[in-house]
Amino acid sequence: EVQLVESGGGLVQPGGSLRLSCAASGFTFSTYAMAWVRQAPGKGLEWVSVINNNGVNTYYADSVKGRFTISTDNSKNTLYLQMSSLRAEDTAIYYCAKRYCSSSCLVAFDIWGQGTMVTVSS
Amino acid sequence: QSALTQPASVSGSPGQSITISCTGTSSDVGVYNSVSWYQQHPGKAPKLMIYDVSNRPSGVSDRFSGSKSGNTASLTISGLQAGDGADYYCSSYTSTTRVFGGGTKLTVL
Repeated sequence: EVQLVESGGGLVQPGGSLRLSCAASGFTFSTYAMAWVRQAPGKGLEWVSVINNNGVNTYYADSVKGRFTISTDNSKNTLYLQMSSLRAEDTAIYYCAKRYCSSSCLVAFDIWGQGTMVTVSS
Repeated sequence: QSALTQPASVSGSPGQSITISCTGTSSDVGVYNSVSWYQQHPGKAPKLMIYDVSNRPSGVSDRFSGSKSGNTASLTISGLQAGDGADYYCSSYTSTTRVFGGGTKLTVL
């Protein structure tokens, strides 16, 4: 079964750091681009970061650029999001997602995790 | 990174067809064919319904179709069913960003 399972969310103080993990199974992890998408409580979806299957080409939303770092470990089939200098506005459910195609379909992500909640508050 | 513009809500009766619009600009929807649509039920993760404007992933019902004209993409759902009631989000790619629309709540009456 193709599956993504996020972990690492929780309550953190403003200015703090957190690392999210996304464990992948059921597909060849190194073949697909991966993404983090977040959703603040009661709000819409927001692209946070995307990493290509080469592990080198990355995209960051302006709102997180310089504070968040996306990475992968192909030996562990795991996607990460290192978050630092966290702000109250980073409070959201964070989803990891797998791109549908190994190439093209640039905003098409077909497999999503269940999400992990990050709350930034003092 | 301005969001794409979607109507806040649409509604329809079972069996009817509805269309949700997604308006961007000549820098995103108007120039790239990388437009996707996602369905999200409350408390659930998004589900990919349409990609690259008009393509359906395997397993998605052919009642869902997508199109684009100029700077506006559209999602059409025909033969509305109760389970289609959800939030729908469009998304577009540009060379520098990826954006979602604000979302549309579909109510099946």
